[in-house]
Amino acid sequence: GNSVTQMEGPVTLSEEAFLTINCTYTATGYPSLFWYVQYPGEGLQLLLKATKADDKGSNKGFEATYRKETTSFHLEKGSVQVSDSAVYFCALREAAGDKIIFGKGTRLHILP
Amino acid sequence: DAEITQSPRHKITETGRQVTLACHQTWNHNNMFWYRQDLGHGLRLIHYSYGVQDTNKGEVSDGYSVSRSNTEDLPLTLESAASSQTSVYFCASSGLAGGSQETQYFGPGTRLLVL
Repeated sequence: GNSVTQMEGPVTLSEEAFLTINCTYTATGYPSLFWYVQYPGEGLQLLLKATKADDKGSNKGFEATYRKETTSFHLEKGSVQVSDSAVYFCALREAAGDKIIFGKGTRLHILP
Repeated sequence: DAEITQSPRHKITETGRQVTLACHQTWNHNNMFWYRQDLGHGLRLIHYSYGVQDTNKGEVSDGYSVSRSNTEDLPLTLESAASSQTSVYFCASSGLAGGSQETQYFGPGTRLLVL
């Protein structure tokens, strides 16, 4: 079945460091891919998405590129801030239907 | 602005009691979902609905039920609460499927403790 695997956390970085959170997926067809972010005490909110191969999603300085050949959707940011501290979820939307499958989440801590 | 709300935000109950968690959305979305979030498991789908009178089981549906009598609401019922159901519960909604790639919008969550 379809699945999403993302790097385990927690990830701890200093402010202004470069961030990569790895995400790979297994799916039939051509799923849409998402990154969601969850700030403390809140629900998940969409960070960015990509709907087809080679698409790049971007938002708030974060980027991720849909790589079909490596089945990956790694999240990157060039210079993280303390306010980026949160849990990040990689997810895919199955090609058929409207269900979303989430990875287990990666907790990110940014130190000032 | 359209939104999705959950109530209560926090609930403590006893083993064996029936508990209902409310979810209300004003997006006019057809699709609604219930997830639970637990450490080490991420988010797991409990039940979902693609429209009024439609309900479907997710991967962890045992011990839970839902009903969809209107577009706005999808209440989640724990028939006989168990300690294993202590968790944070999130409701989400999304627009029509049928080829379009819709984003799921999440509520703020309900933290449930079963003693």
